[in-house]
Amino acid sequence: GDSVTQMEGPVTLSEEAFLTINCTYTATGYPSLFWYVQYPGEGLQLLLKATKADDKGSNKGFEATYRKETTSFHLEKGSVQVSDSAVYFCAILSRSNTGKLIFGQGTTLQVKP
Amino acid sequence: DAGITQSPRHKVTETGTPVTLRCHQTENHRYMYWYRQDPGHGLRLIHYSYGVKDTDKGEVSDGYSVSRSKTEDFLLTLESATSSQTSVYFCAISELSGVDTEAFFGQGTRLTVV
Repeated sequence: GDSVTQMEGPVTLSEEAFLTINCTYTATGYPSLFWYVQYPGEGLQLLLKATKADDKGSNKGFEATYRKETTSFHLEKGSVQVSDSAVYFCAILSRSNTGKLIFGQGTTLQVKP
Repeated sequence: DAGITQSPRHKVTETGTPVTLRCHQTENHRYMYWYRQDPGHGLRLIHYSYGVKDTDKGEVSDGYSVSRSKTEDFLLTLESATSSQTSVYFCAISELSGVDTEAFFGQGTRLTVV
C-alpha cells in the first residue's frame, strides 16, 4: 500500500544554516504531495504542496520539488531561523477514488541561536 | 482559513464510556479523515471517508467507528473508551479538483480517558 518515509529526527541546526528534510514515498499512480508544519501545542498547517511531476512548491522560504523518478519530495530552506523550530510532516494524497491521505512519521527541527 | 471545526476541543471521560467527536466542514470537500497523534507515532489514520456513507478503515481502526450521513459532518465514535485511546485527534478534509488538490486540518481534540 501507499506509504511515506521521512528522515529520522531530531534535526538540530544553528540559525542561518541550510535545511534539508528528506521524504520519499510509495504510491500507485501520481499522488499529490504536501509538507505540513506543526508548532508546539498547535495543529497542522499546510506549508506547501505539489500536484504533478517537476512542480515546485514554495512558501515562507521553504521549497520542495516533486521528483517522480526518485519518488521524493525533499523539503529545503536556505537559511533557517529559530522560529522555524517545529515538527514537519510529509504527506501524499492518493488520486484514486478513495483519496487516502498518508503521512510520514514527522521530523522535529530544532534551530539554535 | 479553511472551514473545518472540531468539537469538543478538550474532553475528559471515564473508561468504558462512549465518546463521539465531531468534525464539521463548510468547504464541501469530498474526503474527510480522522487521525490520532501520539508521541513517537506521528499521525496515524483511524478512518476516512470518500463520500456520504462511504468510509473505510485506516491503520488503527480497532475500537473506533465512524459515520458520515452528510457531506459536512464526519463523526468518530469510541464505543467504549480505554486509556490507550487517550490522544490528540485530528480531522482533515481534502479535495481533488482537476490537477489541483488541497488538504486541511482541524485544530484537534485532546481526549483523556481516565
